[in-house]
Amino acid sequence: DIQMTQSPSSLSASVGDRVTITCRASQNIISYLNWYQQKPGKAPNLLIFSASTLESGVPSRFSGSGFGTDFTLTISSLQPEDFASYYCQQNYSPPVTFGGGTKVGIK
Amino acid sequence: QVQLVQSGAEVEKPGASMKISCKASGFTFTEYNMHWVRQAPGQRLEWMGWINPGNGDTGYSQHFQGRVTITRDTSANTAYMDLSSLTSDDTAVYYCARDAGYTFSRHYFDYWGQGILVTVSS
Repeated sequence: DIQMTQSPSSLSASVGDRVTITCRASQNIISYLNWYQQKPGKAPNLLIFSASTLESGVPSRFSGSGFGTDFTLTISSLQPEDFASYYCQQNYSPPVTFGGGTKVGIK
Repeated sequence: QVQLVQSGAEVEKPGASMKISCKASGFTFTEYNMHWVRQAPGQRLEWMGWINPGNGDTGYSQHFQGRVTITRDTSANTAYMDLSSLTSDDTAVYYCARDAGYTFSRHYFDYWGQGILVTVSS
């Protein structure tokens, strides 16, 4: 199975901050990388697919980049509703696998 | 609008089997693959398997060693997930999720059910 490693596992930030989360795959996954946001007690919500394509309805402050094994999710200006956990997921090779998550908390 | 509504028992005993249903609405059920994903407390999301509601084809994660079975009832627009030989390690929130690919599988998920916390305890 392809292992997905996210860093950091948690971070504290303020409203308006620029936030960057990284995800590393254990092998080349080209651009088969997706990002989800999950709030406590809720299901995940798709933010970005294919490494950099914004899902419909997702604010433009979210962006994704990367190729191969290293990927990044960036929130350009953190908003109060963005305090949540974020997960990366590879769909290059079954079984699809997820990263361990990054919890974005309030500083 | 697309909705996935899950139902099922929330407490099961070790050694028993669990069955969760996922009723779909707001889209043509047979045109999107459906997946099951679980999340144990404090753990990462774990993919379990998928079904093509149109023809019944399925695929499963080998991590479950044959314990998981996914079925569907197209007349009821509902997918089902059975997990057998339960242990405390199976305590988790179980989600159904729609594949984002129209008529073919992309293996990422654009709509999710609300999730059901299943606790395995004697």
